[in-house]
Amino acid sequence: GENVEQHPSTLSVQEGDSAVIKCTYSDSASNYFPWYKQELGKGPQLIIDIRSNVGEKKDQRIAVTLNKTAKHFSLHITETQPEDSAVYFCAAARSNDYKLSFGAGTTVTVRA
Amino acid sequence: DAGVTQSPTHLIKTRGQHVTLRCSPISGHKSVSWYQQVLGQGPQFIFQYYEKEERGRGNFPDRFSARQFPNYSSELNVNALLLGDSALYLCASSLAVWVAGAEAFFGQGTRLTVV
Repeated sequence: GENVEQHPSTLSVQEGDSAVIKCTYSDSASNYFPWYKQELGKGPQLIIDIRSNVGEKKDQRIAVTLNKTAKHFSLHITETQPEDSAVYFCAAARSNDYKLSFGAGTTVTVRA
Repeated sequence: DAGVTQSPTHLIKTRGQHVTLRCSPISGHKSVSWYQQVLGQGPQFIFQYYEKEERGRGNFPDRFSARQFPNYSSELNVNALLLGDSALYLCASSLAVWVAGAEAFFGQGTRLTVV
């Protein structure tokens, strides 16, 4: 099955700086890569996703890049704000999968 | 519009007991999935139901079972609880049967503690 590894496990950044989270996956057939944000006491919420026919995708301060050859993808948050503090999860799936395979999560703390 | 709702929000059970967790999907969503999230880890897939049929099962023992009702709500049942079953149980609903077909919306979860 798919194995997703995520680094780092914790990340502390100064407000206004950038944050980068990296994930690798094992199943070369995976072609859907969503990122979720989980705030305390809440369920994960989709913030951005990318599919294998695209190398990069941006949505305001958030961007995701995908390198299918190396089987890794990354989340970039620019101009971080205190409300960006949360746990972020990457995930991977094939187009005909019933399930998402999640990474272990990255706790991001934005220091004011 | 209401999001995915789960009940109860917190639950404490004793080893060996049985538990039932409930999930109401977003209106119009026919797919419901269950995930287990142990503290400090990412969610692990347990089951997926679409149109009241089990479409996928994760690597969990037979003590875990689920079903989906005609109104697309779902129950997750766990028998003979073990301490290791303590976790946040998440329900997600979607319009599509495949996870890549539509966004999966998660509920706030049920925090199960087994003592």
